[in-house]
Amino acid sequence: EDQVTQSPEALRLQEGESSSLNCSYTVSGLRGLFWYRQDPGKGPEFLFTLYSAGEEKEKERLKATLTKKESFLHITAPKPEDSATYLCAVQAASSGSARQLTFGSGTQLTVLP
Amino acid sequence: KAGVTQTPRYLIKTRGQQVTLSCSPISGHRSVSWYQQTPGQGLQFLFEYFSETQRNKGNFPGRFSGRQFSNSRSEMNVSTLELGDSALYLCASSWGQGSSYNEQFFGPGTRLTVL
Repeated sequence: EDQVTQSPEALRLQEGESSSLNCSYTVSGLRGLFWYRQDPGKGPEFLFTLYSAGEEKEKERLKATLTKKESFLHITAPKPEDSATYLCAVQAASSGSARQLTFGSGTQLTVLP
Repeated sequence: KAGVTQTPRYLIKTRGQQVTLSCSPISGHRSVSWYQQTPGQGLQFLFEYFSETQRNKGNFPGRFSGRQFSNSRSEMNVSTLELGDSALYLCASSWGQGSSYNEQFFGPGTRLTVL
């Protein structure tokens, strides 16, 4: 069974204090790993897609990396507006569809001014 | 470019009733997927539609069903509502069905409360 585990469950940072969120996965063949950001009362907002180990993608203060067993979302010098729940999801080769995602439970990030 | 829209945004129903939720994908997107989000189970895949056909279904009972229209708009229906069906129902759209079109864009969701 495909599994996605995110850690920590919650993270509080001071503005400017860089850190990383972890997403470890167990899938029978990875088609893609996705990072989303979700604000309260809203749907997830797409951030990144990673397909193969060693791949990295960046967007503003965020950088996502992928290994064969886990992915990291690095947040550099965060600002209060980065506060949100960050979700990791995988598409597995065993799934019936390229768009069937298995999500982790998320990391709730709070950035204090 | 308008994003994914879902209606209604909020619904309150009682046990035993049925409910229909609507999703309009991003213009040009042909694939629509539905997810259920609860505090206990997180985000779980319900089903995916492409070209008016259900392509894949998650592990949910038959009370959950859906359909897609020729303009790619989709509806999902839940019959005989149970208290445990209270959740945020999210719709996501993507351009096509092939594995190259993996990026999905989510709507704001419909918050369903079952009393």
